[in-house]
Parts: sequence; C-alpha cells; structure tokens
Amino acid sequence: GAGVSQSPSNKVTEKGKDVELRCDPISGHTALYWYRQRLGQGLEFLIYFQGNSAPDKSGLPSDRFSAERTGESVSTLTIQRTQQEDSAVYLCASSPAGQAPYEQYFGPGTRLTVT
Amino acid sequence: AQKITQTQPGMFVQEKEAVTLDCTYDTSDPSYGLFWYKQPSSGEMIFLIYQGSYDQQNATEGRYSLNFQKARKSANLVISASQLGDSAMYFCAMREPFDGSGNTGKLIFGQGTTLQVKP
Repeated sequence: GAGVSQSPSNKVTEKGKDVELRCDPISGHTALYWYRQRLGQGLEFLIYFQGNSAPDKSGLPSDRFSAERTGESVSTLTIQRTQQEDSAVYLCASSPAGQAPYEQYFGPGTRLTVT
Repeated sequence: AQKITQTQPGMFVQEKEAVTLDCTYDTSDPSYGLFWYKQPSSGEMIFLIYQGSYDQQNATEGRYSLNFQKARKSANLVISASQLGDSAMYFCAMREPFDGSGNTGKLIFGQGTTLQVKP
C-alpha cells in the first residue's frame, strides 16, 4: 500500500516568510510524528498526534512552529517568520500505535532552505 | 532523561566482511524499544531491526542482528557480509513507552554513524 507522503519535497523560502509543510500518513495509522533533521545530525522530535487526543508539542523549538491534524488524516506543520536556523529536513512518521513494536514509518521528508 | 549515544561518527568496512555499529542508551523506564534505521544519501529512513526491552532473544533480520546487552545498556547493530549498498548513515533510536505519564512513544535518536563499504 501507499506509504507516508510529504509535500513539497523541497522548499526554498526567504527569511521572514511563513511556510507550510504537509504530511499524509498511512491510512489507519493513528499516531503521527514530526521530526527535524539538521545537516549531518540525528532526528529531533517536534510534535506528536494520537487520534483526537491533545498533541504533545514538547519538542517544538519556538512559538513560530505550530502543527495541526484533523482526526487521523493529513497533518500540516507551519513555521512562521522563518529564520536561517530553520533550514533542515522535516520528516513525518506515522505508526499503528496500538500494535507492537509500534514501528514508525517515515515519509521522504521536506528539505527546507531559508535564504 | 532518555539518551542515545553513538560514538562512531564514521566507519569503514571491506565488502563481504561483518561490521558492528555501537549504540548505548540511558533510560530509567523498564519498558522501552530500540530501533535501528538506515538513511542512504537519498534521505529516506529505512527501518532495519527492533528489540524490545523484555525480549529474551537478540533480534535478527536477514543480515542484520542486534547485540542487546541490557545490563550494559547497549544495543549494537551487526551487519554481516557487507555489501556496497550498505553504505549509508545508520541511526540507533529508543522509543519512549506509551503510558499515562505523558510519554508518547516518540523516538529519541542518536547522532548516527556513517558507514562506508569498500569494494
């Protein structure tokens, strides 16, 4: 079946502009995660959605970052007033949270470059 | 706080030989999961192998095996018979438990090890 998809695959934006990144999880996966990966680094957790529960926003680096998800469908990550340090690959993962080993399936990522 | 440490920024291995990528972790939770992911230059994250904290046997998946030493809090990945296509970045990750204390099953990643397989 279809995997996790993300759009756009690449985004170049000017400092100060807002950007919106989209994630389509695998159908039926109730859990959705956003991670950020800076060049040559490991992945940093940003935010987690599980069904209709309140999201875990503990990883968001500043109030310029926000994310939404409606039910168990598409999620959007919004970065307002982008800064150069926001340049990174943003990865989305979904998981069938109720099934061990709770493996997370990753999308191809969105490479964000802030100039 | 949970933490994953990968101490080898880069490794080389000769084609057809075995290689071990190190991973140590720190957690006070009795229930956790350990994952290894492969990230080739294309950027995708490919799941390789999983070990649960209560699993008695070391996990194996084809040429991948996980050397799980719980008392030492290590979860090293062993790749046997290396192939040129194994050249990639490898990440060890620990999954938080799902519980009522706010843990959400998110993955904590190490910094990664770049593996290069020489022909």
